[in-house]
Amino acid sequence: IQLTQSPSSLSASVGDRVTITCRASQGISSYLAWYQQKPGKAPKLLIYAASTLQSGVPSRFSGSGSGTDFTLTISSLQPEDFATYYCQQLNSYPPITFGQGTRLEIK
Amino acid sequence: EVQLVESGGVVVQPGGSLRLSCAASGFTFDDYTMHWVRQAPGKGLEWVSLISWDGGSTYYADSVKGRFTISRDNSKNSLYLQMNSLRTEDTALYYCAKDIGAGATTYAFDIWGQGTMVTVSS
Repeated sequence: IQLTQSPSSLSASVGDRVTITCRASQGISSYLAWYQQKPGKAPKLLIYAASTLQSGVPSRFSGSGSGTDFTLTISSLQPEDFATYYCQQLNSYPPITFGQGTRLEIK
Repeated sequence: EVQLVESGGVVVQPGGSLRLSCAASGFTFDDYTMHWVRQAPGKGLEWVSLISWDGGSTYYADSVKGRFTISRDNSKNSLYLQMNSLRTEDTALYYCAKDIGAGATTYAFDIWGQGTMVTVSS
């Protein structure tokens, strides 16, 4: 199953509302997770089961979708949110697959 | 503190072998499926392999199938990745990661190590 994220990169300002999309090549129910990765660091789990917020993750992050189309939304960007974001499908494996990533940069 | 610490990454020649280790602490290791994920320099994330809580089920990405072997020793709270017939395209930072849930269904990876770098070069 292939995951396609859009956009591949994005420039935004602190306080902006940002949406990243992940499209699966076939239906994956709600078996989708979102990760944040900062340079030189391991990925950090944000959302799992498409819309469940991981413990300790700020509520400005939210996820939605099912089937083939999913979104990650950051309601009000904070300086620490500038990073690369990946979606991941766990419905059908092997293989477990990741999207190509979306780089979120400061405008 | 829940923690995963990888080790074993080095520079190795093409065709060589290497074993990576991942030491787990702060959780009941033998309750969870574990994974290896890699990231080539400047590239995205690639899932490599998983092993069930008891070692009874293992899966691999096509890119490593037949060359890599995942294993675990629950008595030592440790995960391993035996890497044989290494290729230049295996050069990457290798992470071990813990499944979020203790059941058979995999929903996400909630704990990641810091990674260990494998460089395959002559």
